Parts: sequence; structure tokens; C-alpha cells
Amino acid sequence: QKEVEQNSGPLSVPEGAIASLNCTYSDRVSQSFFWYRQYSGKSPELIMSIYSNGDKEDGRFTAQLNKASQYVSLLIRDSQPSDSATYLCAVNNYNQGGKLIFGQGTELSVKP
Amino acid sequence: DVKVTQSSRYLVKRTGEKVFLECVQDMDHENMFWYRQDPGLGLRLIYFSYDVKMKEKGDIPEGYSVSREKKERFSLILESASTNQTSMYLCASSLWTGGSYEQYFGPGTRLTVT
Repeated sequence: QKEVEQNSGPLSVPEGAIASLNCTYSDRVSQSFFWYRQYSGKSPELIMSIYSNGDKEDGRFTAQLNKASQYVSLLIRDSQPSDSATYLCAVNNYNQGGKLIFGQGTELSVKP
Repeated sequence: DVKVTQSSRYLVKRTGEKVFLECVQDMDHENMFWYRQDPGLGLRLIYFSYDVKMKEKGDIPEGYSVSREKKERFSLILESASTNQTSMYLCASSLWTGGSYEQYFGPGTRLTVT
């Protein structure tokens, strides 16, 4: 079992819809969770971090964390073609210091 | 804003050459990382460092070494480049923010070994 799992996609949504990206992790002691956006040919960019169960909102982005289910998700409201990218989920266990464990990423395509 | 810079965006080297990739961060971050990213394989950690002169092997250290003589600079060295080291190389740095280690990436170096 991979430590961090994401559906590879591609996930295709129409412009204006809600895109839902999901991630599961295997290490129960994971404590910090991150979403990165990566455009083709570019480096990953941190867009959201979440540490506590529940929702965290930032503009059109909402991160959701459920530690009991070992599940973290990213919702993108009012999706735009400019949101088309690969989204990487990453988790951190404090015992591992600053290391992050990354998922393989989900490719999102927003169709005009 | 956190700034992580890498010495080259594109690099072409010949098999057997010694290759140096440089990474500099300007935010006094303690932790620095080198990854490579290949299609279908995701991000793979090569080496990381928690402090000056300290280094730890990541998941795929073979064929690579690193150097961290100053806090802001972390170098990746390919001792004898091979074609299977053709890849996108990404440097990152992170700092404990009181809630987590947020990691920030440089722009990447696309290395081609011919």
C-alpha cells in the first residue's frame, strides 16, 4: 500500500463546477497535510495546508481533513480553465522532521 | 515571500560528466531537499539536510551526493552523469511554522544527459 494515494485522473469538470480531489494516507500519526498545484513544466506551488479535522477555506479552495478515516480532500469552487493542473497531496509526520510524503498527483482539466 | 532559486532552468550534459546543481534559499530555512520528478513516478526524494554540513539519504540516493556548507545553499552533485539521470530536479526548503513544516520549491532544473 502506498503511503499517500491519489486518483491519477484525469479528472475533467466543466467551467464553474466544483472540482473534488481526494487523498488517503496510511500512517495514522500523520499530522500535517498539504495541497500543491503543479502546472505542466513548472514546479509545485503550495496552495493549502491543514492540520486539524474539519474544513479550512481560502478563497475558492477548501481543504477537508478527516483523521479517523485518514482522508484529506481539496474542493475547488467555480472551477476555471486556469485551475487545470496536477494537484499533489502531501503529508508530514513530525517524527520525520521536515520530510513530506507526496502522492502521485491528480490531473485536473477544467473545460470551458 | 519565500524565494528558492536554482542555478539553471535547463542543462545538457554528456555521459560521465560531473554535474553540479545549485540551490539557494533566502529565508533562513533549516531544512533543504532535493527531488527528482519523472512522468509516472512522481516526486522522489534524493537527499535532504536539516542543518549545515548535515545530510540524510532519501529514497533514491544512488549516483548522487550533496553538499551544504552554508545554511542558504544546498548543492546536488552527479558524480558521473548517466542517461537515466535525465530528469526534472527540484530543490525545496522548509521551516517549522509552529503548526507544520511548510515546504517551498524552486523553479526546477531540467537536466538532459546525452
